[in-house]
Amino acid sequence: KAGVTQTPRYLIKTRGQQVTLSCSPISGHRSVSWYQQTPGQGLQFLFEYFSETQRNKGNFPGRFSGRQFSNSRSEMNVSTLELGDSALYLCASSVTYRTLNTEAFFGQGTRLTVV
Amino acid sequence: AQSVAQPEDQVNVAEGNPLTVKCTYSVSGNPYLFWYVQYPNRGLQFLLKYITGDNLVKGSYGFEAEFNKSQTSFHLKKPSALVSDSALYFCAVRAYSGNTPLVFGKGTRLSVIA
Repeated sequence: KAGVTQTPRYLIKTRGQQVTLSCSPISGHRSVSWYQQTPGQGLQFLFEYFSETQRNKGNFPGRFSGRQFSNSRSEMNVSTLELGDSALYLCASSVTYRTLNTEAFFGQGTRLTVV
Repeated sequence: AQSVAQPEDQVNVAEGNPLTVKCTYSVSGNPYLFWYVQYPNRGLQFLLKYITGDNLVKGSYGFEAEFNKSQTSFHLKKPSALVSDSALYFCAVRAYSGNTPLVFGKGTRLSVIA
């Protein structure tokens, strides 16, 4: 069974540009969450999607957005990139949003560097 | 709002000694608690979880964690540390009820010295 797949693995962008990251969850999983990992802040929650609907949103500016498609694949977009957006972006999938006690499975992440 | 505190940024332990990585949480109502581990250049891997029942939970790679409701803690433990246990460990909490996400602590770096 394939795990969570995130593409691309590495990305270098210039300040002011925009970027789109992709996440394919484990087959059969319908819930996808996104996290930003930085050395100083640990993992910070960005958003959570289930059945193409955003269920939760973290405290990030509107430059950060996401969506989920009918096949459960998800994308997140960051517009007008800032140096501080440099981070590892992790995607996690779980079976269903409604079963809160199920563990999430993480992808290897996308390392975004903004220069 | 729910939150997780991991009071130690770094824990050093000699190989063969017991290890403890601390975690305290804050949540409205009952919690679901999780531990994850992250090796260099990898995503997070699930170790164990507390849902309900026995306060001592056993997980992967010989790790266990003890849920203490009165102290709102969920410390990760292992009787005998291995050098290969060196990694970044994250504690996470989700509220039992309500529309809440899985919230993580800032992580604790465990270094096991041979």
